[in-house]
Formats: sequence, structure tokens, C-alpha cells
Amino acid sequence: DAGITQSPRHKVTETGTPVTLRCHQTENHRYMYWYRQDPGHGLRLIHYSYGVKDTDKGEVSDGYSVSRSKTEDFLLTLESATSSQTSVYFCAISPGTGAGQPQHFGDGTRLSIL
Amino acid sequence: KQEVTQIPAALSVPEGENLVLNCSFTDSAIYNLQWFRQDPGKGLTSLLLIQSSQREQTSGRLNASLDKSSGRSTLYIAASQPGDSATYLCAVEAADMRFGAGTRLTVKP
Repeated sequence: DAGITQSPRHKVTETGTPVTLRCHQTENHRYMYWYRQDPGHGLRLIHYSYGVKDTDKGEVSDGYSVSRSKTEDFLLTLESATSSQTSVYFCAISPGTGAGQPQHFGDGTRLSIL
Repeated sequence: KQEVTQIPAALSVPEGENLVLNCSFTDSAIYNLQWFRQDPGKGLTSLLLIQSSQREQTSGRLNASLDKSSGRSTLYIAASQPGDSATYLCAVEAADMRFGAGTRLTVKP
């Protein structure tokens, strides 16, 4: 399995608090992604990174920010968490984009906003 | 906007049966189609990736085909086993990766 570690694995917090999720990879892959998975919506892309300090928005980026200061770490921040952000969050990595470049996923972080 | 549909949403079969899972997508301008397996409470495990120029890929008892012109892919599982029980997701990649909602497979002993 690809070396991807997400932390924390579970978190419960209150509305209005800041939350940061971490994704750490040991594969030295250029691309890193954050997705959320919700019943009825499947997996949707939040943000992605194509290099250190290079990030871009995905389909559902509102309310989220990201940072990548090192190749191996990609952080997802909810500045002021809302109940609608309760979800399972997955990090993925890929060596590149285009034909033949697979994405590999971490085990996810289950986040509950009360 | 790319839409990915998986049919059926759920499937239950007896052990040993061969089965086919279906995936359709609306925009044929894709780089890759990837099949994943997801166990309850777990992450996604990549099973097979088919590049847009390819017709099929095989891994063990799994065979995935791609017909880009018609916007369809199938995942064939031979001689199903209870350990194959999981949700199977397909995803197509163009500008970004879009996922289907999955097929929940149950293989009964």
C-alpha cells in the first residue's frame, strides 16, 4: 500500500472551532488531494496540490483552506467548522496527472462537528 | 460537467458466481478510468486503472474493460468469494477525478 498517513483518524469538535487535518506521504509524489465522502454525494474533491506551495480549488472548496510547505505534508484547515462539514475526509496522492497515473488513498479521517 | 453512474447500487450473489459491475460516464474526454474497492470504515484500495487508449486491464480474478466512445466500463469478477464483499467505486479522470456512488457487493457463503 502507498505510504499515506492521515491524522487524526477521528475527531469530534464544536461548531465555530478551527480544525486542521494532516496528510503525510512517504512516496515523494508531486500531487496530493483532499476529498470528502458523504452519503448520496460520493467522493468530491476539495483542494489539491501540484507541488510545494502550489495549490488549487476543487469542486467543493468553500469553507476550506490548504497548505503544503513540504512535499510530504498536505494540511486541510476548516477555519470555523460548521455542521455541514461533518464528513469523512480522504487524502490521496499521485505521481502526476494524465494517462496512467493512479491515485492512492489514505484511510480517512472521520470528522464530526456538533 | 462529468457525471459518473454505477448500476446496480447493490448486488447480492452466492459464492462462486461470476458477476459484472457497470460504470457509465457522460464525457468521453478522459485520461484514465480507475476502479477502487472500499471496505466499511476504510479507505479506497486501487484495483485497476485503464488508460484512455486501452480497452481492458486484468488483475487476478478481476477484469476491467473500457469503451470510451460509449462512455462505459465494466468490472468483471470471476468466481466470487465472501472476501470480495465491499463497495466498488469507479472514477474517471480528466481535469479532475469524478467518482460514481458505488456498487455495494455482498457475496454469500
